[in-house]
Amino acid sequence: DAMVIQNPRYQVTQFGKPVTLSCSQTLNHNVMYWYQQKSSQAPKLLFHYYDKDFNNEADTPDNFQSRRPNTSFCFLDIRSPGLGDAAMYLCATSRGTDQPQHFGDGTRLSIL
Amino acid sequence: DAKTTQPTSMDCAEGRAANLPCNHSTISGNEYVYWYRQIHSQGPQYIIHGLKNNETNEMASLIITEDRKSSTLILPHATLRDTAVYYCIVRVSNYKLSFGAGTTVTVRA
Repeated sequence: DAMVIQNPRYQVTQFGKPVTLSCSQTLNHNVMYWYQQKSSQAPKLLFHYYDKDFNNEADTPDNFQSRRPNTSFCFLDIRSPGLGDAAMYLCATSRGTDQPQHFGDGTRLSIL
Repeated sequence: DAKTTQPTSMDCAEGRAANLPCNHSTISGNEYVYWYRQIHSQGPQYIIHGLKNNETNEMASLIITEDRKSSTLILPHATLRDTAVYYCIVRVSNYKLSFGAGTTVTVRA
């Protein structure tokens, strides 16, 4: 009964080649988040959607964008991946911003 | 957000209680204490949170000192599956979790 599903679990792309990571949820939560977690580091918030309202963190590179076509799905687009973008990307959801976040198991992105 | 301090690592024997400390001496009156954990190769998992009263759920207990400057997460009967990095986070709302380094807990048989 997976609630926050991230596909694929592992993604390999080439330097500079656009890549899209996907997240879906069965919880009907109105808030969806994307985090980046580099090796041996803690997760770092990139941006979040509150319903259809997009909220970008100030230090998130312009290379990273997101789309949320409906309540259930959210996508992370990396326009021109660099070697420094290799990381685990985590999607999370919550019912409002004052409830616990539920995380998916992440997509590990490798850049060749 | 208030800064938190946690031990880098700790070991625990299987079947025994694991007590994970967290210092948050600059916590303000409206900031909650949240605990998450991250098992290797998985996403973080919410454990528990509290404001000033002690809290208990099916996973753990949270004990917050009266002055709210520190707290302890208690896993009552640690199992090997509890081996993970445990994050103590203090903030006003659950939005924008600021994960620190956490405590790496290793449960040994």
